[in-house]
Amino acid sequence: DAGVIQSPRHEVTEMGQEVTLRCKPISGHDYLFWYRQTMMRGLELLIYFNNNVPIDDSGMPEDRFSAKMPNASFSTLKIQPSEPRDSAVYFCASSLIPAGGNEQFFGPGTRLTVL
Amino acid sequence: AQKVTQAQTEISVVEKEDVTLDCVYETRDTTYYLFWYKQPPSGELVFLIRRNSFDEQNEISGRYSWNFQKSTSSFNFTITASQVVDSAVYFCALRSRFGNEKLTFGTGTRLTIIP
Repeated sequence: DAGVIQSPRHEVTEMGQEVTLRCKPISGHDYLFWYRQTMMRGLELLIYFNNNVPIDDSGMPEDRFSAKMPNASFSTLKIQPSEPRDSAVYFCASSLIPAGGNEQFFGPGTRLTVL
Repeated sequence: AQKVTQAQTEISVVEKEDVTLDCVYETRDTTYYLFWYKQPPSGELVFLIRRNSFDEQNEISGRYSWNFQKSTSSFNFTITASQVVDSAVYFCALRSRFGNEKLTFGTGTRLTIIP
């Protein structure tokens, strides 16, 4: 079975450019999560969706960040305009209903470097 | 508020030694779930184990074992006869049963196994 798929795996861009990260969750999972990992702040939850609907975006750093989930098999995280401090590894994760204690399965991550 | 503390930032042991990674958590909820994830040098986050708060049985999986003690709010992870492939960052995480699908992660423990 395919796990969570993320693309691209690496992205290098210049400050001010738009960046779009993509995620395909595990089929059948109702929940999708976007995380950011940095040395300074560790793993941070940015936003999560339930059945394609954003539930909590309180972790989104600022208006430059936006996330969408147009259908059950695809989500995007967009940064516009990008800044050097956005450099991090961005993970997408999916799970069945968490109320059952179901674990989140993580994708391989996208390493973003903003110059 | 929930909190997960992994006081050990880095640990180094010689191969074949046993090593225990500590995890202490805080929550006001009576029902919750605890998790351990492994992040090897390749960067992906790999799910290792889930434990429900109402199940205090310890668990053993090969060289891995987990000691859950509600009385001390701890969920420690022991690797027996460590191997170089165990070198990774290990994260402990907590999730409440109701009303919150978020995982609260600890800051991680970097484990290095010296050949």
